[in-house]
Amino acid sequence: SQQGEEDPQALSIQEGENATMNCSYKTSINNLQWYRQNSGRGLVHLILIRSNEREKHSGRLRVTLDTSKKSSSLLITASRAADTASYFCATDPSGNTPLVFGKGTRLSVIA
Amino acid sequence: NAGVTQTPKFQVLKTGQSMTLQCAQDMNHNSMYWYRQDPGMGLRLIYYSASEGTTDKGEVPNGYNVSRLNKREFSLRLESAAPSQTSVYFCASNMGLAPNYEQYFGPGTRLTVT
Repeated sequence: SQQGEEDPQALSIQEGENATMNCSYKTSINNLQWYRQNSGRGLVHLILIRSNEREKHSGRLRVTLDTSKKSSSLLITASRAADTASYFCATDPSGNTPLVFGKGTRLSVIA
Repeated sequence: NAGVTQTPKFQVLKTGQSMTLQCAQDMNHNSMYWYRQDPGMGLRLIYYSASEGTTDKGEVPNGYNVSRLNKREFSLRLESAAPSQTSVYFCASNMGLAPNYEQYFGPGTRLTVT
């Protein structure tokens, strides 16, 4: 069963706009990771945020984590057509079990 | 440095046939994973190997077997393929489970069972 659930399932925006995706999870975590999947490809790791961190930046990506609400958000600023992909959150629910992936958000950036 | 490689890229099987999906990584990772991805279902873990010599069931292991041949290679076998096993299969690897490091994914194998 999925631990993380992304919201929305699909998102369509214009190039230059910001895109925000959310992830909610059920149990306590050690860290939360975000991945991108381009059509027909494997997943690529974007960013990892630890449970004791609240915000993290990487280029145009900003990730927040609220452990009290068991939720995270991924913000992509000034989106580009090349950002069109599916985005998945993955949680590390305990110290010795594999990551659990959500079902993903499909982002379409229209030029 | 090829990362994670998978063979074959595409495969069509008839119901009841068997096949083995191969995965190899050249990053000296300890842990390896097999996932399947179906539309609307996200990634579901089939089996994983936390370290060389160990394998464990994931969320959807029925109908599959795995072998951790050595530190580099982790294969997935379908003994008697069923149409429900039509899916895209991904292999992944990382340094380990505790803590859970980022995973590196292969390009996937697209399997159709008729």
